Amino acid sequence: EAGVAQSPRYKIIEKRQSVAFWCNPISGHATLYWYQQILGQGPKLLIQFQNNGVVDDSQLPKDRFSAERLKGVDSTLKIQPAKLEDSAVYLCASSLQGRTEAFFGQGTRLTVV
Amino acid sequence: GIQVEQSPPDLILQEGANSTLRCNFSDSVNNLQWFHQNPWGQLINLFYIPSGTKQNGRLSATTVATERYSLLYISSSQTTDSGVYFCAVEWFMRFGAGTRLTVKP
Repeated sequence: EAGVAQSPRYKIIEKRQSVAFWCNPISGHATLYWYQQILGQGPKLLIQFQNNGVVDDSQLPKDRFSAERLKGVDSTLKIQPAKLEDSAVYLCASSLQGRTEAFFGQGTRLTVV
Repeated sequence: GIQVEQSPPDLILQEGANSTLRCNFSDSVNNLQWFHQNPWGQLINLFYIPSGTKQNGRLSATTVATERYSLLYISSSQTTDSGVYFCAVEWFMRFGAGTRLTVKP
């Protein structure tokens, strides 16, 4: 069974530029999560989808971050414009229905210079 | 919201030693997972354990939901066990700050 796929693996951008990350969850998984992990900290939930609806986006900085999950499968997370403090690893995870075991992708390491 | 605390924050062991990592949470939970984040940043599932005890080789975990804690046991540690161990609770996956384990040869 294929795992959670994320791309790109690495991205370097200048501040004020925009960037997008892509996630393909495990087939059949209804729940999809995006996390931000700053070096030395635990992952912080940015947004949680159930199918293509948002369950929780309370920690998503909505002035610059946006996310969508069209057709309840793939998802994209966008940052526009990026700030230096957005440098982090962005992790995507999925689970069968939100109350079961979740699995993570390898993450995208973003560096904003 | 629910708070998750992990201890100790750092742990250094000699290869072959045993260790216990702890995860405390501030409210009752229906979902708890343990992960190992390897040096390349990948989060590896160890246990899905909302209650009870599970074992997988040298690793085992126990969650006592009524007392709001979970323990991860690592026996006969190996250098490949090094990394950060996280617990995450509930279906919104609130993470603790992690325990950084270093196993020396």
